[in-house]
Amino acid sequence: EPEVTQTPSHQVTQMGQEVILRCVPISNHLYFYWYRQILGQKVEFLVSFYNNEISEKSEIFDDQFSVERPDGSNFTLKIRSTKLEDSAMYFCASSEQGPNSPLHFGNGTRLTVT
Amino acid sequence: AQKVTQAQTEISVVEKEDVTLDCVYETRDTTYYLFWYKQPPSGELVFLIRRNSFDEQNEISGRYSWNFQKSTSSFNFTITASQVVDSAVYFCALIYYNQGGKLIFGQGTELSVKP
Repeated sequence: EPEVTQTPSHQVTQMGQEVILRCVPISNHLYFYWYRQILGQKVEFLVSFYNNEISEKSEIFDDQFSVERPDGSNFTLKIRSTKLEDSAMYFCASSEQGPNSPLHFGNGTRLTVT
Repeated sequence: AQKVTQAQTEISVVEKEDVTLDCVYETRDTTYYLFWYKQPPSGELVFLIRRNSFDEQNEISGRYSWNFQKSTSSFNFTITASQVVDSAVYFCALIYYNQGGKLIFGQGTELSVKP
């Protein structure tokens, strides 16, 4: 069964550094998303992306965050200057028929900011 | 306000017991979708079910069943004859129609099934 893949599985970075989290959505999906989960807490929406532009973003997704689909397969989340509170599990997801159809999540990237 | 409440933080059962995970939501719209996701210890989020607000039929899939009641804004999940492999955190989630993929998750219920 096709799946969403995320790399790396774990990223450690120092505060103030830039990080790029990478995702390869399911190939025939057109809608892409990033969510995050701070340890022990609920999963929170960050941003949705369709047709090469952001569809919706949360208040968490401030100017430090950006997303990009640099080619036909990858979908990236960049954090420009990481803060300690950015430490979390970041999930990429994709859906086929739009945001009301099931989101298929990747295994996540655990980001640790020291 | 859009909100999903899973009042049970942790549940522990013995294998073969039935267990029900509660989910209550708040809506401001008549068209919405409800989901359940499973997060096993390995950390990934696994889609289990989607239900739209116009379909109140209960659904059964193997040992899993879901009870959707609009009158009480609840979407409960029952596992029959639980197994150790069912141990995971289960999330209920809500999305409004055409809201750009912004799933609202509950806090999750951690289910522990002991042998």
